[in-house]
Amino acid sequence: KNEVEQSPQNLTAQEGEFITINCSYSVGISALHWLQQHPGGGIVSLFMLSSGKKKHGRLIATINIQEKHSSLHITASHPRDSAVYICAVRVQGGSQGNLIFGKGTKLSVKP
Amino acid sequence: DTGVSQDPRHKITKRGQNVTFRCDPISEHNRLYWYRQTLGQGPEFLTYFQNEAQLEKSRLLSDRFSAERPKGSFSTLEIQRTEQGDSAMYLCASSLDGSLTFGSGTRLTVV
Repeated sequence: KNEVEQSPQNLTAQEGEFITINCSYSVGISALHWLQQHPGGGIVSLFMLSSGKKKHGRLIATINIQEKHSSLHITASHPRDSAVYICAVRVQGGSQGNLIFGKGTKLSVKP
Repeated sequence: DTGVSQDPRHKITKRGQNVTFRCDPISEHNRLYWYRQTLGQGPEFLTYFQNEAQLEKSRLLSDRFSAERPKGSFSTLEIQRTEQGDSAMYLCASSLDGSLTFGSGTRLTVV
């Protein structure tokens, strides 16, 4: 079993829909990252959080440390949101960039 | 400063050849990370530098792999005697405060 599990693996939505991507992890962590990867490989860091909730534009990330679970929400989804969304965790005591990554959730938003 | 730069973007090499990739981080970032990502998988941590010191190496980094950051600025990742299993995207990221900025990656194909 992977230490970081994401669901769903693939997600197709209609433009305007509310989207939720889930991340569960089995190790103690000091931070969790949500990343966006477009075709061609470039990765953009969306959020880094260790508790509570963060919001940036139409994106919201939440984390529940006790339940070892995080969610990424996209409100009013748009075709330009189509990408792979990756959850990554920094293990407690690890360096900032020694992350364990999930396999990603491939999101496709249809117009 | 335009972000993290990686060179080349693509590299095709014959099995057994040596290859070297370069990463130029954001200038004020003292931490630099290398990751490897194979098709359909999330990235995997390879190694971490703080300034010029290599502080962490994954067991994925076999003795054919070597990374340097000689002056605490740019970094190089060399793979000797490449194997087909080395085919992957090699990603570099830099950090100052824990939030990571990624480069666009170098896609290596070993034929």
